Amino acid sequence: QKEVEQDPGPLSVPEGAIVSLNCTYSNSAFQYFMWYRQYSRKGPELLMYTYSSGNKEDGRFTAQVDKSSKYISLFIRDSQPSDSATYLCAMSAGGTSYGKLTFGQGTILTVHP
Amino acid sequence: DTGVSQNPRHKITKRGQNVTFRCDPISEHNRLYWYRQTLGQGPEFLTYFQNEAQLEKSRLLSDRFSAERPKGSFSTLEIQRTEQGDSAMYLCASSQQGWGTDTQYFGPGTRLTVL
Repeated sequence: QKEVEQDPGPLSVPEGAIVSLNCTYSNSAFQYFMWYRQYSRKGPELLMYTYSSGNKEDGRFTAQVDKSSKYISLFIRDSQPSDSATYLCAMSAGGTSYGKLTFGQGTILTVHP
Repeated sequence: DTGVSQNPRHKITKRGQNVTFRCDPISEHNRLYWYRQTLGQGPEFLTYFQNEAQLEKSRLLSDRFSAERPKGSFSTLEIQRTEQGDSAMYLCASSQQGWGTDTQYFGPGTRLTVL
């Protein structure tokens, strides 16, 4: 079983919809949680970064972390066709392991006009 | 552009050949990472450097793989005796060590195809 599980989708939504992306994890040592966006044949781009449990909002994006359930989410409001990409969750334990990110499989999102 | 750069962007090679990739991190970043990403999967950690010291290596990094960061600036990743299973996107990321975890910025990747 992988340390981080992410539904690969694909997910297709109409423009303007609210998108919910999720990851679950098994390693209770994870303390730092990130969401990356990756366009086709490009490197991942950092969207959101959260430490421990709680919510964080940045424009149309909201990241939520529930450490008790080992579950993280990314919400995209008013989705746009330009949001079409693969969304990757990533996590790290901090401490001596904080150089290493463990990624989910990625969810492919398509927002159609 | 002051982001992470990687060269070459694409590499096609025959099985058994050696290949070398280069990564140039963001100039003030002291940490550098290599990841490998296969089609439909998320990146998998390979190794990372703090300045010129290689601090962690994944079990994925077999003895055919070697990485260096000789002066704490750019890094090279060499794969010897390539196999078809080495075909993947090789991603480099850099960060500046700070409190807690560090924010990693990724390059565009080098796509390797082994025939």
